[in-house]
Amino acid sequence: QSMLTQPPSVSAAPGQKVTISCSGSSSNIGSSYVSWYQQLPGTAPKLLIYDNYKRPSGIPDRFSGSKSGTSATLGITGLQTEDEADYYCATLDSTLRTGVFGGGTKLTVL
Amino acid sequence: QVQLIQSGSELKNPGASVKVSCKASGYSFTAHSINWVRQAPGQGLEWMGWINVNTGTPTYAQGFIGRFVFSLDTSVTTAYLQISGLKAEDTAVYYCARDRNDIEFDYWGQGTLVTVSS
Repeated sequence: QSMLTQPPSVSAAPGQKVTISCSGSSSNIGSSYVSWYQQLPGTAPKLLIYDNYKRPSGIPDRFSGSKSGTSATLGITGLQTEDEADYYCATLDSTLRTGVFGGGTKLTVL
Repeated sequence: QVQLIQSGSELKNPGASVKVSCKASGYSFTAHSINWVRQAPGQGLEWMGWINVNTGTPTYAQGFIGRFVFSLDTSVTTAYLQISGLKAEDTAVYYCARDRNDIEFDYWGQGTLVTVSS
């Protein structure tokens, strides 16, 4: 049971928008940056968002991140079939000084 | 370009040991810590801990204390994960990842599948 709670699955049609939530506590999301990762089947995770909302070079602006209090959200607009993947949030637990991942959310593009 | 290249898949008997390597290139090795992440079959990502590449000091997550050891050879810019007393439940893909800043992993190795089975 992860300290960060994500919905197990979300789905939407191509071209639509989807959001994935990540809920934590004051000792993790509430006091640290959040990052988001995309994991396509059979591949290593890829950094999508860091410092709550920043995108690494090469990540399209269809992907966005936000944080409010002890929750964070990943948004994906203009969904494409190639966005079908597992998505994970992660942060530092400042009390335990450990990293923590959310349980992951499987995105299905219908 | 930054790369983390991991060693190949391993098949081990229960009770054996395994050492996974993670060769870094394309950046100053001592500028970023290396973290290790486990992914059991069909499961999510699990943070195992990290190693300070400047001091060689490892930090282990709860659940990875005792049989798991992180180490370095800075002369060949390589980090290692050694697991001893392997159990069936250690079967997983193990990833190394470069940390840009406090659990923000900007580059990942390709993963190493460790299978524990008799």
